[in-house]
Amino acid sequence: KQEVTQIPAALSVPEGENLVLNCSFTDSAIYNLQWFRQDPGKGLTSLLLIQSSQREQTSGRLNASLDKSSGRSTLYIAASQPGDSATYLCAVKVDSNYQLIWGAGTKLIIKP
Amino acid sequence: NAGVTQTPKFRVLKTGQSMTLLCAQDMNHEYMYWYRQDPGMGLRLIHYSVGEGTTAKGEVPDGYNVSRLKKQNFLLGLESAAPSQTSVYFCASSYFGGAGDEQYFGPGTRLTVT
Repeated sequence: KQEVTQIPAALSVPEGENLVLNCSFTDSAIYNLQWFRQDPGKGLTSLLLIQSSQREQTSGRLNASLDKSSGRSTLYIAASQPGDSATYLCAVKVDSNYQLIWGAGTKLIIKP
Repeated sequence: NAGVTQTPKFRVLKTGQSMTLLCAQDMNHEYMYWYRQDPGMGLRLIHYSVGEGTTAKGEVPDGYNVSRLKKQNFLLGLESAAPSQTSVYFCASSYFGGAGDEQYFGPGTRLTVT
């Protein structure tokens, strides 16, 4: 059974730092991996989607990598800003059905 | 273009009461999903639909029913609410469900069952 883990559960860093969020999964048979952002009381916003055949995706200050063989993905945030404060979730789409398996998220706080 | 909308935003129910959550999308997406999110846990799929008139069970379907009578709407029903169904419910939609397919989420419904 696919399991997705995000460590740490919470992270606080000063503004301007580069940081890495981690996501690990137990079964390498995935269609894709997505990173989402969730702001308090709001829905989820898709940040990056990496298909199983890809190694990384970039959008602005965000870069997500995927290593299926090791069951890991990282979300790199460059030059962090207070507006980046949110909970970041990763989810994998597994083979043979349409289900996304989710991590519990990392709550990120960027201190001004 | 409103994207994915959910009604209501908040609701308090007493044990045994029933209610229906409405999800609507205006992106002409084929696939729609209902998730629940509990503290400290990832989202879990309740039911999903791959097209108008079709529904299927997800990871945690017990105690819920769904209907997709129109392509743009996906309804989630609780026939007899229980405190264990206290959660935040999210609806999502996607175009075709393939490897490159992103899911778009509504703002959520916070449900409390007392």
